[in-house]
Amino acid sequence: AQKITQTQPGMFVQEKEAVTLDCTYDTSDPSYGLFWYKQPSSGEMIFLIYQGSYDQQNATEGRYSLNFQKARKSANLVISASQLGDSAMYFCAMRDLIYNQGGKLIFGQGTELSVKP
Amino acid sequence: GVTQSPTHLIKTRGQQVTLRCSSQSGHNTVSWYQQALGQGPQFIFQYYREEENGRGNFPPRFSGLQFPNDSSELNVNALELDDSALYLCASRSGQGIYGYTFGSGTRLTVV
Repeated sequence: AQKITQTQPGMFVQEKEAVTLDCTYDTSDPSYGLFWYKQPSSGEMIFLIYQGSYDQQNATEGRYSLNFQKARKSANLVISASQLGDSAMYFCAMRDLIYNQGGKLIFGQGTELSVKP
Repeated sequence: GVTQSPTHLIKTRGQQVTLRCSSQSGHNTVSWYQQALGQGPQFIFQYYREEENGRGNFPPRFSGLQFPNDSSELNVNALELDDSALYLCASRSGQGIYGYTFGSGTRLTVV
């Protein structure tokens, strides 16, 4: 069954330091996509980064990078040089690309990140 | 972007509610998610070119519509206390992998 696990309910990081948010996944689909979203208190889900299961390189988007370890089924988000505005909930999500024609995203429970000045 | 209305809503158990979403221009696929407090979003259903083409584990009292003008609705009948949640609308173009754009959601409280 498809599942996303985020084991860190809350994380603290000092401003300007790097932080890693953990995500493991489970799926039987050989082709899938992995997403990270940021959700500030306003509620909007903001897309951060995407990794395809067949992508050879780890995805990067500005200060965000995804540490993709396919054999371990992990897709950790690394935020470099944390800023106060990074304080929010972060969700890892997955979409199966062959067995899921309905476009469903499976989300984890989320990690609340707090950046300290 | 994606806009949702209303932003907040309070309803009584047993009532019916309609939530609205205006997708990003050019996006013909819309999905709805329910996010209970402290949880990740749960997929309700998806519409593509005005037809439902995917559904999560939600009862039939959750229904939807998609209109040609990039707008959509989520209808919930016979509201229950557990329906209290943030309801998120997401749109994207076609069946592509990328471009899930979410709205800010409607916070529904059932009393």
